[in-house]
Amino acid sequence: EAGVAQSPRYKIIEKRQSVAFWCNPISGHATLYWYQQILGQGPKLLIQFQNNGVVDDSQLPKDRFSAERLKGVDSTLKIQPAKLEDSAVYLCASSFPRDTIYEQYFGPGTRLTVT
Amino acid sequence: AQKVTQAQTEISVVEKEDVTLDCVYETRDTTYYLFWYKQPPSGELVFLIRRNSFDEQNEISGRYSWNFQKSTSSFNFTITASQVVDSAVYFCALYTNAGKSTFGDGTTLTVKP
Repeated sequence: EAGVAQSPRYKIIEKRQSVAFWCNPISGHATLYWYQQILGQGPKLLIQFQNNGVVDDSQLPKDRFSAERLKGVDSTLKIQPAKLEDSAVYLCASSFPRDTIYEQYFGPGTRLTVT
Repeated sequence: AQKVTQAQTEISVVEKEDVTLDCVYETRDTTYYLFWYKQPPSGELVFLIRRNSFDEQNEISGRYSWNFQKSTSSFNFTITASQVVDSAVYFCALYTNAGKSTFGDGTTLTVKP
């Protein structure tokens, strides 16, 4: 079974530029998550989708971050414009809800460096 | 508000030693789930175990064991006879029934040969 795919793996941009990340979850997984992991910290949930609807985006900086999940499969996360503090690894995860258990499968992440 | 504290930032042991990683959590929810993940140098988080708040039974899986104590809000992880391949960052995470997640800041484990 293929895992969660993410691209690109690495991205370097200058501040005020825009960037987009792509995630393809495990086939059949209805729930998709985007996390931000700053160096030395644990992942922080940015947004959670159930199919193509948003379940939780309370920690998403909506003035510069946006995410979509068209057709309930692939997802893109965009930052526009980027700031220095956005430098982090962006992790995508997916899960197949069973009852109320949220076992998540993570992708390899996209390491973003904003200069 | 939820919080997960992993007080040990870094631990270094010699191969074959036992090591325990501590996790203390805070939540007002009565139903919640606790997870441990491993993050090797490659960066991909690997699921190790989950526990729901109603199941305080400890679990052993090979060299790994987990001790869940609701009375002290702790969910500690022990590796017996550690190996070099166990070197990684380990995260404890708390999930509520509504799906909100909170991760600790991780414990970096280094196992020296």
